[in-house]
Amino acid sequence: AQSVAQPEDQVNVAEGNPLTVKCTYSVSGNPYLFWYVQYPNRGLQFLLKYITGDNLVKGSYGFEAEFNKSQTSFHLKKPSALVSDSALYFCAVRDGGGKLIFGQGTELSVKP
Amino acid sequence: DARVTQTPRDKVTEMGQEVTMRCQPILGHNTVFWYRQTMMQGLELLAYFRNRAPLDDSGMPKDRFSAEMPDATLATLKIQPSEPRDSAVYFCASGPDFYEQYFGPGTRLTVT
Repeated sequence: AQSVAQPEDQVNVAEGNPLTVKCTYSVSGNPYLFWYVQYPNRGLQFLLKYITGDNLVKGSYGFEAEFNKSQTSFHLKKPSALVSDSALYFCAVRDGGGKLIFGQGTELSVKP
Repeated sequence: DARVTQTPRDKVTEMGQEVTMRCQPILGHNTVFWYRQTMMQGLELLAYFRNRAPLDDSGMPKDRFSAEMPDATLATLKIQPSEPRDSAVYFCASGPDFYEQYFGPGTRLTVT
């Protein structure tokens, strides 16, 4: 069965520093991978997706994610964090039936 | 700027009462999803539809929950009778396909 794991419940970063939010996946076949962000009291917002093609995927708000097949990872990155990036981040994988399987989420806190 | 809308935004009810949550998906989107989010369980998929037909509702407690799409502009999630353990934020999401989902703001349900 398809699954994703986000090994860190929380990530703390200083503003201006690079950030990484980790995600590993387990799928049979080619993975379709996604990142979503949730700000307080809001629904999830789509950030980016990997379907096929380049391993480095660029998304909204300056975020990017690197697909690594050998390490079965799809880490979310940003070169320079902003305080406004503080939110809950979800990694997801599409299963064979078309629905998304979400990870437990990682709370990103960016301090000034 | 098309958005998924959900009503009500907040609902407080007593145990045993019927609760109906409504969602208006983005016009033209043919997939609709219902999720529940709690601190303990994270984000759970309850049901989803494609072209108004239910594809999977295995995530829902069948005895008390029901989800329908009476037409392309309305999706409903009903709980009867409600229980305190149903307290959560319920999200509706729609998408043009299974790759991207656009979430509504959620309905915060409190069952006392």
